[in-house]
Amino acid sequence: AQTVTQSQPEMSVQEAETVTLSCTYDTSENNYYLFWYKQPPSRQMILVIRQEAYKQQNATENRFSVNFQKAAKSFSLKISDSQLGDTAMYFCAFMSLTGANNLFFGTGTRLTVIP
Amino acid sequence: DGGITQSPKYLFRKEGQNVTLSCEQNLNHDAMYWYRQDPGQGLRLIYYSQIVNDFQKGDIAEGYSVSREKKESFPLTVTSAQKNPTAFYLCASSTGSLAKNIQYFGAGTRLSVL
Repeated sequence: AQTVTQSQPEMSVQEAETVTLSCTYDTSENNYYLFWYKQPPSRQMILVIRQEAYKQQNATENRFSVNFQKAAKSFSLKISDSQLGDTAMYFCAFMSLTGANNLFFGTGTRLTVIP
Repeated sequence: DGGITQSPKYLFRKEGQNVTLSCEQNLNHDAMYWYRQDPGQGLRLIYYSQIVNDFQKGDIAEGYSVSREKKESFPLTVTSAQKNPTAFYLCASSTGSLAKNIQYFGAGTRLSVL
């Protein structure tokens, strides 16, 4: 079974600063997808960024970027120029490309952006 | 607007009662999923369906049932056999194709036991 570990239950960052959220995962597969989802107080899950394991280049979406280290099975999320609207729970998730393509989630990191 | 609609937003269950959570999507997605979220935990998969009239158990299917009679709809029934149903329930859908297999989520239903 796949496991996803987020070792930082809570983090905070000053507005306009940069913060990095950590995620590690365990799998024996070679090809897979990794995701970061954001869950604001409204509790709607919103996709932040996706990384395909066969791509060496780290994914980037505006202020959000990842540091994907396949050998280390590490997938961290960097948020630059943090904004108050970034305050949310952030979940790292793994998707296998075999079987039903289900998502396996970590336990989340609660990020608070401080004005 | 295209999206996933979950209803109701809040639901209360009496002991011994079955309740049904609705999930409808107009994204023309083939695959649909139900997740449960408990405090301090990530989402856990209850059931999923990759095609109409077919569905599979996830990691925590006991005490739940689903149906997939239409592509757009994937209702979840929380039966009386589920002894700890209080949680936040999220429905998701995806195209089912590996090329763009991103899951999109509804706004969720909070279920509480009276």
